[in-house]
Amino acid sequence: GDSVTQMEGPVTLSEEAFLTINCTYTATGYPSLFWYVQYPGEGLQLLLKATKADDKGSNKGFEATYRKETTSFHLEKGSVQVSDSAVYFCALSEANTGKLIFGQGTTLQVKP
Amino acid sequence: NAGVMQNPRHLVRRRGQEARLRCSPMKGHSHVYWYRQLPEEGLKFMVYLQKENIIDESGMPKERFSAEFPKEGPSILRIQQVVRGDSAAYFCASSPRTEKASPLHFGNGTRLTVT
Repeated sequence: GDSVTQMEGPVTLSEEAFLTINCTYTATGYPSLFWYVQYPGEGLQLLLKATKADDKGSNKGFEATYRKETTSFHLEKGSVQVSDSAVYFCALSEANTGKLIFGQGTTLQVKP
Repeated sequence: NAGVMQNPRHLVRRRGQEARLRCSPMKGHSHVYWYRQLPEEGLKFMVYLQKENIIDESGMPKERFSAEFPKEGPSILRIQQVVRGDSAAYFCASSPRTEKASPLHFGNGTRLTVT
């Protein structure tokens, strides 16, 4: 079945450092891909998405490019802030139901 | 436009009791999904419903768990005879499914503790 694998955390960075969180997927067909962020005690918020190969999703300084050849959707940010500390989830959308299949999540901690 | 509303935020039940979790989707959304998040783990799909219909329940445990989304009112996730292993955060999400990549909008979850 379809699945998503993320790099294990926690990831600890200093403020203004460069961030990469790796995400790869296995799927039949061409799913849409998403990154969601979860702050403590809250639900998930959509961060960005991409619907087809070579699409780049971007929001709040975060970017991810849909790479069909490597089945990847790595999340990047050029300069992280303390307020970016959260858990980040990569997900793919199953075409016939729209349900999301999530990776295990990566905790990011940014220190001042 | 109010977001996805879940209640209660926190629910404590003793072993053997019933737990009822409610979810009101965003206005105009007729597709509801339930997920469970165990401590330090990702979100696991449980069930997908449209108004009055269960579309995909492949992630639901075979016993004690049920879900509904009636024509009027919120979607309900019901857990009968709860056990300690049911302690988790349960999230509801809704979608209009108007396009291929309609994102899911999540509520803030119900945190169930079984004592």
